[in-house]
Amino acid sequence: NAGVMQNPRHLVRRRGQEARLRCSPMKGHSHVYWYRQLPEEGLKFMVYLQKENIIDESGMPKERFSAEFPKEGPSILRIQQVVRGDSAAYFCASSPQVSGNTIYFGEGSWLTVV
Amino acid sequence: DAKTTQPTSMDCAEGRAANLPCNHSTISGNEYVYWYRQIHSQGPQYIIHGLKNNETNEMASLIITEDRKSSTLILPHATLRDTAVYYCIVLLNEKLTFGTGTRLTIIP
Repeated sequence: NAGVMQNPRHLVRRRGQEARLRCSPMKGHSHVYWYRQLPEEGLKFMVYLQKENIIDESGMPKERFSAEFPKEGPSILRIQQVVRGDSAAYFCASSPQVSGNTIYFGEGSWLTVV
Repeated sequence: DAKTTQPTSMDCAEGRAANLPCNHSTISGNEYVYWYRQIHSQGPQYIIHGLKNNETNEMASLIITEDRKSSTLILPHATLRDTAVYYCIVLLNEKLTFGTGTRLTIIP
């Protein structure tokens, strides 16, 4: 897991507020993934991004959720108007390119909505 | 989709080899098999991956059958810290799709 940095590690938001989760991929990695893990459940794919492009967002909820990976800076997962059901661990992963290469995960960001 | 099937849970005695099986009978020729594990409340940890040949690293060995329809992850000398959920994943459409994995418990 070394190298993929996520922050904040823990975030508490009131219902209706916005949550922003940041992910800095490993050096040299241009592919970023976001996963969500609800309490006592498995990891669910949300979105796959390359620099400035969303490649696959098939796992993203249709509303309130968005992700970006700008040319400069970290990838951002943004959740607007959070609800209690958004409380989960959000994991970011990165790789230099996909086929045959290792995809490394960060330690996650825990969002609690109160 | 090349899905995987793993036993729900397994126990292994400390110091023994842990052999975790995985079936992926619909795997395509260019799809890699990846293994990750997740220790409670931590991020998934990469273990090993392979395409056709058996692979070994400092953590584990991966044995892939000749027809590639199944594989086995081997932890040669299991320790208590190896207690975790282990995921066997076929990389599909450039993303890892996690199943329910195998909950491995190392018994003292």
